[in-house]
Amino acid sequence: GQNIDQPTEMTATEGAIVQINCTYQTSGFNGLFWYQQHAGEAPTFLSYNVLDGLEEKGRFSSFLSRSKGYSYLLLKELQMKDSASYLCAVRDSNYQLIWGAGTKLIIKP
Amino acid sequence: IAGITQAPTSQILAAGRRMTLRCTQDMRHNAMYWYRQDLGLGLRLIHYSNTAGTTGKGEVPDGYSVSRANTDDFPLTLASAVPSQTSVYFCASSVSGGETEAFFGQGTRLTVV
Repeated sequence: GQNIDQPTEMTATEGAIVQINCTYQTSGFNGLFWYQQHAGEAPTFLSYNVLDGLEEKGRFSSFLSRSKGYSYLLLKELQMKDSASYLCAVRDSNYQLIWGAGTKLIIKP
Repeated sequence: IAGITQAPTSQILAAGRRMTLRCTQDMRHNAMYWYRQDLGLGLRLIHYSNTAGTTGKGEVPDGYSVSRANTDDFPLTLASAVPSQTSVYFCASSVSGGETEAFFGQGTRLTVV
């Protein structure tokens, strides 16, 4: 079966750095996505990786290793507004998105 | 403001009743999707449409139907609601099925009692 694993919850301190991991087992691979979802709101797109390596976008970076079935989202200079759930999703060989359950990130002052 | 709109925002529905969740986008996106989101589970695809006039089944299609008569609208119908369909429903769209970014509506919180 297809499976996306990410930690259920993480806590970090304002101003610090946090890394959210995602491992996947899917039938085929056509890209990995990270979305941010604030409580009670819609998911919003953060990043997309299809080749191995690091993609940097401001305070957020996303890394992919296809051989290991592994990705991480790195958030730097954490702000209180970064408190949200972070969703990892993989597009499989049928171009369907398989979603992880999300990681709830709690930022403490 | 361009975007994707869902209606209603929330609804309490008696079991056995028929209900249509509405979704409209004005971005001229070809692909549209319906997901349900349940606590502790990832988003699960119910139905999708890669272009007007075509639809396909996702991971959890049973009990739901969709239509795509035009580019902008993608309604989701529950023919006879059951309590297990209590969930938050998100409609989303993207330029095409293989596009990198999907845009989500604000969600419909449905409770079936």
